[in-house]
Amino acid sequence: QVQLQESGPGLVKPSETLSLTCTVSGGSISSYYWSWIRQPAGKGLEWIGRIYTSGVTNCNPSLKSRVTMSVDTSKNHFSLKLSSVTAADTAVYYCARHYGAFDLWGQGTMVTVSS
Amino acid sequence: QSVLTQPPSVSGAPGQRVTISCTGNNSNIGAGYDVHWYQQVPGTAPKLLIYGNSNRPSGVPDRFSGPKSGTSASLAITGLQAEDEADYYCQSYDSSLSGWVFGGGTKLTVL
Repeated sequence: QVQLQESGPGLVKPSETLSLTCTVSGGSISSYYWSWIRQPAGKGLEWIGRIYTSGVTNCNPSLKSRVTMSVDTSKNHFSLKLSSVTAADTAVYYCARHYGAFDLWGQGTMVTVSS
Repeated sequence: QSVLTQPPSVSGAPGQRVTISCTGNNSNIGAGYDVHWYQQVPGTAPKLLIYGNSNRPSGVPDRFSGPKSGTSASLAITGLQAEDEADYYCQSYDSSLSGWVFGGGTKLTVL
């Protein structure tokens, strides 16, 4: 079955750029929207943005100025870059397939922003 | 503060029925956008529980149901089991925010 796996550095320095990749296995990345969602420790879920396999994106307006997303269909993966990070960006970051609802989720990856 | 409002916690004894409310407004639930529900066991990723207001993905027991009415939605769980102890989140689209939004989450405790 289709599985998602996030990867990337677990520690990012303040003011630097957080970079994560989500690899889709067991199925094609094509013809779906793919989202990024984050969850600070002990808090709720926040949608960051989504990308279609054509490259079309939608972003949370509160993060839009700092978010860049891309997709590589040949590698069956998509990526997130969040610039100028602060401690407030410390969270578990999830990738998810966005098919109406978020119907498939990765296991999540913890990213800490600290010097 | 979340756009969709959920009670912070609910509880019930095994076998009982509990409901979790999700209150929105006319920019999200009241505008006709679908409501979806997720279950998150601590330390794990959320799992889709109800989609399109009242539909269950394959493998989700029919003990879980999700009616929607006006600017609110509810998740009902009947025949509570210990394994139901988790955090539950509602989610919809908000046209004024131009994005997908979650409720603040509700912690279900099985007594």
